[in-house]
Amino acid sequence: ELKVEQNPLFLSMQEGKNYTIYCNYSTTSDRLYWYRQDPGKSLESLFVLLSNGAVKQEGRLMASLDTKARLSTLHITAAVHDLSATYFCAVDPPGSGTYKYIFGTGTRLKVLA
Amino acid sequence: DVKVTQSSRYLVKRTGEKVFLECVQDMDHENMFWYRQDPGLGLRLIYFSYDVKMKEKGDIPEGYSVSREKKERFSLILESASTNQTSMYLCASSLIPGKSFNTEAFFGQGTRLTVV
Repeated sequence: ELKVEQNPLFLSMQEGKNYTIYCNYSTTSDRLYWYRQDPGKSLESLFVLLSNGAVKQEGRLMASLDTKARLSTLHITAAVHDLSATYFCAVDPPGSGTYKYIFGTGTRLKVLA
Repeated sequence: DVKVTQSSRYLVKRTGEKVFLECVQDMDHENMFWYRQDPGLGLRLIYFSYDVKMKEKGDIPEGYSVSREKKERFSLILESASTNQTSMYLCASSLIPGKSFNTEAFFGQGTRLTVV
């Protein structure tokens, strides 16, 4: 059974600082997704990582995937208040025949002014 | 833009009632999903469907059933609602493998269900 773990679960950081959120998963997968959720809202797709070594960047967020280590990171550079949200990673379990998306528990990020 | 629409944002139902949550997507996606979201537990997959009239159990199917009579519509049914089914329910849709590099799931706005 595929398990997806994120850490930290909560993150409070000052504006302007850098930090990394980690996503570990337990079985082989070549597809990993990052989503953002604002309070009371639904999930918004941020990144799709489809191969080992994939790196994608959008603004102050950069995501990478190491399939050998079964690890993805979401790096935040010079955080701003607007990045406050909950971030989820999701992994597609192998052998399912279709996309299935197993989610981590989420990392609640609070950026303090 | 992909649009996934859930029929209600908020619902309050009584214990024992039969509850229908409806979801419609407008992008001709084959896959559709129902998740529930609870604090500290993330999103957990209840059921998914990869074609009309097809369904597969996710990780927590107990107490739920689903229906997919048309490609664009996926319904979640609580046969006899209980208080432990109070939660946020999220519907999502996606393409099947091989159709596109756009492999991610697109989510509806969520239905917050309270069972009293």
